[in-house]
Amino acid sequence: AQKITQTQPGMFVQEKEAVTLDCTYDTSDPSYGLFWYKQPSSGEMIFLIYQGSYDQQNATEGRYSLNFQKARKSANLVISASQLGDSAMYFCAMREAVGKHSGGGADGLTFGKGTHLIIQP
Amino acid sequence: DSGVTQTPKHLITATGQRVTLRCSPRSGDLSVYWYQQSLDQGLQFLIHYYNGEERAKGNILERFSAQQFPDLHSELNLSSLELGDSALYFCASSPRGIAGSTDTQYFGPGTRLTVL
Repeated sequence: AQKITQTQPGMFVQEKEAVTLDCTYDTSDPSYGLFWYKQPSSGEMIFLIYQGSYDQQNATEGRYSLNFQKARKSANLVISASQLGDSAMYFCAMREAVGKHSGGGADGLTFGKGTHLIIQP
Repeated sequence: DSGVTQTPKHLITATGQRVTLRCSPRSGDLSVYWYQQSLDQGLQFLIHYYNGEERAKGNILERFSAQQFPDLHSELNLSSLELGDSALYFCASSPRGIAGSTDTQYFGPGTRLTVL
């Protein structure tokens, strides 16, 4: 079963409008972190925002906010006042605090398939 | 700029060959992670090193190996390369990365590997 689901393969949005990118996740761990990354056409992965499972308030970072609904296991990214430079792939990712693999270390991030966001002038 | 550096940026090689990708983490970060991004598989976690020790393995092939050196830089070795190994390989670093931590991982610019 997929641990991270992003149901919107692509989105077209008018400049200056707000955008919501959907992400649902699946975990049985009580402690986990949720992340959003942006990947422009140049290829680098840019960290945007983080939400911890025990955080009481939704995370915000400038124009980015995370609509965290723990009971529904969703962590949607909201971009306010979109700009042309926001056009990119957006990935939702999760890290469970206790790794399931070897060594007792925490595992890497599990990523969704991404949403390709295009901002139109 | 995340502070994570990766070399080379591009690598073109032939099937059956062996290559080494290099990563330097952000100053002060003890954990290094390797990821592979391909059209077929998306972004996949390969392996995690913490302060020189292997901590977790993801979907890493037996033909691939990694290590983290005392100065904390890391190398990913890919051998007996196949066409399907063509991908973008990312290194990421985080301050801790031990069990119980969910600290943010910062990614390097990636190495684009093309196997012909």
